[in-house]
Amino acid sequence: AQKVTQAQTEISVVEKEDVTLDCVYETRDTTYYLFWYKQPPSGELVFLIRRNSFDEQNEISGRYSWNFQKSTSSFNFTITASQVVDSAVYFCALSEARRDDKIIFGKGTRLHILP
Amino acid sequence: DVKVTQSSRYLVKRTGEKVFLECVQDMDHENMFWYRQDPGLGLRLIYFSYDVKMKEKGDIPEGYSVSREKKERFSLILESASTNQTSMYLCASSFRGVNEKLFFGSGTQLSVL
Repeated sequence: AQKVTQAQTEISVVEKEDVTLDCVYETRDTTYYLFWYKQPPSGELVFLIRRNSFDEQNEISGRYSWNFQKSTSSFNFTITASQVVDSAVYFCALSEARRDDKIIFGKGTRLHILP
Repeated sequence: DVKVTQSSRYLVKRTGEKVFLECVQDMDHENMFWYRQDPGLGLRLIYFSYDVKMKEKGDIPEGYSVSREKKERFSLILESASTNQTSMYLCASSFRGVNEKLFFGSGTQLSVL
């Protein structure tokens, strides 16, 4: 069975600190996709990144970076030099290949960036 | 700017009422989704549609139905609202195919009294 675990329910850090959000997944598929979404207080989830299971390269986008490790079934998200605007709920998600309807979301991590 | 628009941000209904939640997307997406978001439970799929008039049950379809008469519009219907349907409802859409990213609406916070 597929599963996504975000063990950190809530995290608080002071502005400018780095913070890592953990995501561990379970799947029997060899081909799958992983996602991160951000949900700010406005409520609308916003796509951040998609990775397929064959691409283990780390990704960096500005202050955001993602570490994908198949060996540990993890897809962790790091925010460097955090800002108050990063305060949001972050969701990790797993999708089976060729199954648009099979998207499993983690329960989310609520991140508070304190000024 | 591409958009998924949900008709109401906040909605208050009485137990037993029939409730319609509307969602419209302007991106010509084939796929549309209705999710329910509850504290501690994350997002759970209620229904999914991959084409006009096509629908598939998600993980928690009980007490809900959907309608997709036009490609851009996907409606969620609560036939007889109950208090345990108080929740945040999120609509999403995507292109059909290789696990494309989802575009979400801002959500409808429904309270059933």
